Amino acid sequence: QVQLQESGPGLVKPSQTLSLTCTVSGGSIRSGGYYWSWVRQHPGKGLEWIGYIYSSGTTYYNPSLKSRLTISVDTSTNQFSLKVSSVTAADTAVYFCARDDGLGAAEYWGQGTLLTVSS
Amino acid sequence: QSVLTQPPSVSAAPGQKVTISCSGSSSNIGNYYVSWYQQLPGTAPKLLIYDNNKRPSGIPDRFSVSKSGTSATLGITGLQTGDEADYYCGAWDSSLNAVIFGGGTKVSVL
Repeated sequence: QVQLQESGPGLVKPSQTLSLTCTVSGGSIRSGGYYWSWVRQHPGKGLEWIGYIYSSGTTYYNPSLKSRLTISVDTSTNQFSLKVSSVTAADTAVYFCARDDGLGAAEYWGQGTLLTVSS
Repeated sequence: QSVLTQPPSVSAAPGQKVTISCSGSSSNIGNYYVSWYQQLPGTAPKLLIYDNNKRPSGIPDRFSVSKSGTSATLGITGLQTGDEADYYCGAWDSSLNAVIFGGGTKVSVL
């Protein structure tokens, strides 16, 4: 059974870069066939796709966030990461990592981690 | 404003059926598979339906999808109190080169 677990600081100051990591267990990122995804949810709002990465390192990003995003993968540790630069209060959200088939079908999700942007 | 349009809420009595529509365009639903998710309060989304009408292991056949053109509809039969949740549709969009979600629909069991 594939499991994903997000980890991050919980609190980030405005204008800083937020960094989150997703650790995958029960399956290898290196084996391919799936896209490793980040999705966020603002308090009381709907789902917002951030982007995903394939094991080869190919990335796809939400066009509205692209200029501030970096998603990377480390197959040696079976982790993938998200960096969002120049954060504002609008980036306060629960961030989920997930395994996606590439077309928006994500069967496995992390439990989510709340990231608050505040000074 | 979401690229995929869903009604904000639907409701029905226990045992009845509800349907949730998801309207898109030719750059998403019209040419790509639709997925549906259930999200209970405080939890991660759960994949209910993928590839238009396939269910992951453990998802009952009370959940089904119909698709026509650029729209899809999730149907939930035999409604239970445990079905009270937010439901989202999702798809790939070739114009945006991105995964997109609907705004979500809250299902209430009366």
